Amino acid sequence: KAGVTQTPRYLIKTRGQQVTLSCSPISGHRSVSWYQQTPGQGLQFLFEYFSETQRNKGNFPGRFSGRQFSNSRSEMNVSTLELGDSALYLCASSFQGPASEKLFFGSGTQLSVL
Amino acid sequence: KQEVTQIPAALSVPEGENLVLNCSFTDSAIYNLQWFRQDPGKGLTSLLLIQSSQREQTSGRLNASLDKSSGRSTLYIAASQPGDSATYLCAVPLGGATNKLIFGTGTLLAVQP
Repeated sequence: KAGVTQTPRYLIKTRGQQVTLSCSPISGHRSVSWYQQTPGQGLQFLFEYFSETQRNKGNFPGRFSGRQFSNSRSEMNVSTLELGDSALYLCASSFQGPASEKLFFGSGTQLSVL
Repeated sequence: KQEVTQIPAALSVPEGENLVLNCSFTDSAIYNLQWFRQDPGKGLTSLLLIQSSQREQTSGRLNASLDKSSGRSTLYIAASQPGDSATYLCAVPLGGATNKLIFGTGTLLAVQP
């Protein structure tokens, strides 16, 4: 069974641009959540989607948005990039999404904003 | 507000040693606690998930315990190996029907051959 797949693996953008990251969950998993990891702030929750609906959202500005498709694949978008958006963006999936399940993470997308 | 801290921030041990990593949380009303491992520049791998009703979970050389009343969890690694070198993170969910996890700051473990 394939794991969680994130593309692209690396991305370099300049300030003001926008970026779209993609996540394909494990087959059969319906919950997809996104996290931002930086050396200073650690791992911070961005949002969670379940059956194409946003179920939870973290404390990030509106420049960060996401969506989930009917096949459970998810994308996140960051508009008007800032230097502080440089981070490792991680996607995680689980079957249903209750807290009793293990989360399976992808390898992440390393975003560098110049 | 739930806060999760991990001590120590970094640990270096010789191969073969048994070691304990600590995780503390401020709100004891948790549904479960997960321990993850992260290799440099990679994603997280879930090691152990302890439900709130459990006291401990074991997987191979790993044993995790949970004491909700004191707000603490420990990850015990027996007979450490160089391949165990990684960052170890603990996390608790914010609520029962969500994957919104609050992560600790992590412990960077180096096992010297």
